[in-house]
Amino acid sequence: DQQVKQNSPSLSVQEGRISILNCDYTNSMFDYFLWYKKYPAEGPTFLISISSIKDKNEDGRFTVFLNKSAKHLSLHIVPSQPGDSAVYFCAASAKGNTPLVFGKGTRLSVIA
Amino acid sequence: GAGVSQSPSNKVTEKGKDVELRCDPISGHTALYWYRQRLGQGLEFLIYFQGNSAPDKSGLPSDRFSAERTGESVSTLTIQRTQQEDSAVYLCASSSHGTQLGNTIYFGEGSWLTVV
Repeated sequence: DQQVKQNSPSLSVQEGRISILNCDYTNSMFDYFLWYKKYPAEGPTFLISISSIKDKNEDGRFTVFLNKSAKHLSLHIVPSQPGDSAVYFCAASAKGNTPLVFGKGTRLSVIA
Repeated sequence: GAGVSQSPSNKVTEKGKDVELRCDPISGHTALYWYRQRLGQGLEFLIYFQGNSAPDKSGLPSDRFSAERTGESVSTLTIQRTQQEDSAVYLCASSSHGTQLGNTIYFGEGSWLTVV
């Protein structure tokens, strides 16, 4: 049973436009959410996070939105750049020293 | 070191052989995690070490998989009698305080295992 779901395996966006990556979760105990970015042949790198006490967190071109009632979060990248092309993983954790649970990832392609 | 270091970066092994994968976490990080990613799949949690606490082994897929950690340093993931379905990239990560709110985990580049 997947607790963190990224239902879109891939997404293509034109350079300069907004990229929106979506993530749904089922475990109501999750209280901390992260996005990781992964280039081929490299390990995932941390991008941005949000705790359940907030509904938005912004860092430069990256904004994460959290809708707790819908158990949904999204990552917005604007403007999208070709260097943003990568696989993006959504992750979540619950209180109490539990490990991060990851989704299957969404491959973003930003076309120049 | 500056980041999480894993070795070997690539390993091809014959079915039935044992393999050991090594992880050097970021210096001072008390928490260490092993994940794996099989082709077309997400990151699958395997095992988690936090300080002197008993490790969380809930993600290990079978008793052929085991991991050890020496204090708060190096960890070794061992896969016995490898099978083709074990082919994956094995990712190690570390963090400074475990999975507390606001804590981030940092990944190594992974060990790519191919079982032929």
